[in-house]
This record gives sequence, structure tokens and C-alpha cells, in this order.
Amino acid sequence: GQQLNQSPQSMFIQEGEDVSMNCTSSSIFNTWLWYKQDPGEGPVLLIALYKAGELTSNGRLTAQFGITRKDSFLNISASIPSDVGIYFCAGSFMTTDSWGKFQFGAGTQVVVTP
Amino acid sequence: KAGVTQTPRYLIKTRGQQVTLSCSPISGHRSVSWYQQTPGQGLQFLFEYFSETQRNKGNFPGRFSGRQFSNSRSEMNVSTLELGDSALYLCASSRSGRASDEQFFGPGTRLTVL
Repeated sequence: GQQLNQSPQSMFIQEGEDVSMNCTSSSIFNTWLWYKQDPGEGPVLLIALYKAGELTSNGRLTAQFGITRKDSFLNISASIPSDVGIYFCAGSFMTTDSWGKFQFGAGTQVVVTP
Repeated sequence: KAGVTQTPRYLIKTRGQQVTLSCSPISGHRSVSWYQQTPGQGLQFLFEYFSETQRNKGNFPGRFSGRQFSNSRSEMNVSTLELGDSALYLCASSRSGRASDEQFFGPGTRLTVL
């Protein structure tokens, strides 16, 4: 499918720092998903967003559904070494869409140094 | 409950050869999707199978094909391999294949084409 614009492409941060990344789309979405992929593993769903303006947390992770419905943001607070991995977004217009209709970001590589 | 399993985990082939990858979904899941993941490109949707029928197809050449068996296990085949086919191939399963059902990914098969 089409690709979303995800930035930054990579981040090198120190343990304890906060991390922010975002995804933008040329289309309006009704669903935004954020995944994390550990090295050698498949992606795991972190947070799902279904409403414009929605702010959802999962532990130290917080994601927001942009009010324009064309973007989404993921923040990681107080990073720890196990936060290392690739984070990527996915979006779709309809929750009834099949997974084939989803668009994916290229991913943000996060490296955490002690 | 066992997760999505993929075999083999690693594969090295040469140009012109063909390859078959296997995916066993989570028990009770009838939808299986396949993705190609390359650095910088993110996840590209290949196809989705539901109840032994291909329901959605991405924008890949006919060299990429798949099938699903009555027990929901799925295989994908790539014929006449090219260098550009080197990638991580991910399989994901969900109950219905709709975005409202969470999709669970396998660890992937890393294919290297020499």
C-alpha cells in the first residue's frame, strides 16, 4: 500500500530522555496504530487510536490522534534501554477496512545509550 | 496460546531460484496477511487470505503468490528471485482480517538473495 511520512528516521538518545516521533498522511484517517518491532521479532501493537484529538497512554508511551486527522504522534517518556527498536505507524480511513487497506510508515529506529 | 509461527526463520537463495515460506496463524484466526519489510520502505502489503481465498492483493508482480489451507496455515511463494526480493517477510493473523480485530505478527522470515 501507500506509505505514510514518518519522522525522524532514527534517533540516538540517552537513557532517561523523552522521545517524540510523528506520522503524517495526505489522506484523512479514522484509525491510527503504533507498533514496536524488537530486533529479530515481528511488530507488536502498542496503541490504537480511533478518534480525532484522542490521547491514549500505555505506560510510558503516549500517542495522539491529530485533530486534522492527517497525523499522529508517539511520545516515550524517560526512555530505558529496552525501548530500543523500530517504531512505526499505520493508518486507515475505516475500522471496517481490511488490513490490506492500511498504510504504514517506514519506521523510526530508536537507539538508547546508557 | 501459541503465537504466529513462520518457517524458516532465515533463508539464502540465489537469483533465479524460487522460494516457499510458511506461516501458521494463531488458533482460531482465519485471516492471514503477508508483508514485505525492507529498510527505509517499511511494510508493504503483499496479500491477504481468508478461508482459503485471496481477499486482497498488494501491488507486487505475479512472481509473488500465496495460498491458504483448510487449517488456515498459509504459504507464500516467490519465483525467479531477484536481488531486490531480499527482505524480511512477515506474516500476520487476525480473526476476521478487519482492522477492528487486532493483527498479530510472526517473527518473520529473513530472505537473502545472492
